[in-house]
Amino acid sequence: NAGVIQTPRHKVTGKGQEATLWCEPISGHSAVFWYRQTIVQGLEFLTYFRNQAPIDDSGMPKERFSAQMPNQSHSTLKIQSTQPQDSAVYLCASSLGNTLYFGEGSRLIVV
Amino acid sequence: QQKVQQSPESLIVPEGGMASLNCTSSDRNVDYFWWYRQHSGKSPKMLMSIFSNGEKEEGRFTVHLNKASLHTSLHIRDSQPSDSALYLCAALTSGGNYKPTFGKGTSLVVHP
Repeated sequence: NAGVIQTPRHKVTGKGQEATLWCEPISGHSAVFWYRQTIVQGLEFLTYFRNQAPIDDSGMPKERFSAQMPNQSHSTLKIQSTQPQDSAVYLCASSLGNTLYFGEGSRLIVV
Repeated sequence: QQKVQQSPESLIVPEGGMASLNCTSSDRNVDYFWWYRQHSGKSPKMLMSIFSNGEKEEGRFTVHLNKASLHTSLHIRDSQPSDSALYLCAALTSGGNYKPTFGKGTSLVVHP
């Protein structure tokens, strides 16, 4: 079991560019979560899917962030018109029961 | 929206000492708490979970829960340098979406 796989591990993008982050959950897990982690804000919930259906996106900045889960094996988080304040580690997690299993994260730096 | 407060923000203990970390939820409907450990540059890994009042022990780690005060604590005895990490508390409330809320964490340093 490879665990939750996230790509890319690091991404540097210019202000105003688009960034897409990918997540492959653990096979058989029904829920996929996206969190953002910064020193100042800690671990912030963004959105989650259950059985591929979007359940709660209350943490997503509405205008520029979007997430999809087109099939059981991957989810994407897209950030349009990136801003320096989007710089963070984006963590994807999957779960079957109550425990979240996190990927190693995608570190996004917007310059 | 539920908030999860952790204290202290940082903690330094000597090797072999006891580390005590605290976590409180703002939501009376909290059902479940987890403690995750995140080593520097790594992802959070679940350490322990608790949903019943009382105490749960696993090796050197003990978790307490007092649902009336919405408070959980994690105690690490015989602390080791390898325990140095960010400890995150997460809480889940009943009746809503399954959406764990995390605190900002306690940074623990165990010095030899």
